[in-house]
Amino acid sequence: DAKTTQPTSMDCAEGRAANLPCNHSTISGNEYVYWYRQIHSQGPQYIIHGLKNNETNEMASLIITEDRKSSTLILPHATLRDTAVYYCIVTTPGNYGNKLVFGAGTILRVKS
Amino acid sequence: SQTIHQWPATLVQPVGSPLSLECTVEGTSNPNLYWYRQAAGRGLQLLFYSVGIGQISSEVPQNLSASRPQDRQFILSSKKLLLSDSGFYLCAWSVGGHLPEQYFGPGTRLTVT
Repeated sequence: DAKTTQPTSMDCAEGRAANLPCNHSTISGNEYVYWYRQIHSQGPQYIIHGLKNNETNEMASLIITEDRKSSTLILPHATLRDTAVYYCIVTTPGNYGNKLVFGAGTILRVKS
Repeated sequence: SQTIHQWPATLVQPVGSPLSLECTVEGTSNPNLYWYRQAAGRGLQLLFYSVGIGQISSEVPQNLSASRPQDRQFILSSKKLLLSDSGFYLCAWSVGGHLPEQYFGPGTRLTVT
């Protein structure tokens, strides 16, 4: 699976959009981009995933560049409860299940 | 809707003692099941995954083992705990098939003393 690079930490003002970047320059054609987040002392939570096209759900939007070498997770109106570690993961479906490799992620601090 | 349970929530065990952590999933059948560990201040490490009863794949060789005695039950065990086994243990499930997202349980915080 391709490796990802994320900033160690970011701050965001409450109510503003949080834009979390992720570089995955070695991504291959059949690899998807997944985003999870982990609030302190809880299990990770699935947010969104995509292959080529931009995706949006009730939690966030995922913008993938045309060359697929980077992506941005957008939380449109960040709240204090969005403070968490955000993980960008690139993966392909394995023969047995979908194995996720979690890196260090980005610590997002939403401040009032 | 689907629910994943883990117990116990916290556990303090002495070095050399056995371990058994249980994970159960409700509301789905034939899920893929996963065990992860997160050491203090570190990322998640996949330990085991299972695509069916009795089918276990190990990702990291260590003194832990996993079993899946029933379709929606996943157990993590050790015969003798080490100090390095301390951490936050997370169970996850996913629907079998193409690119399923994973859903995590609340976790068990294990401290080996």
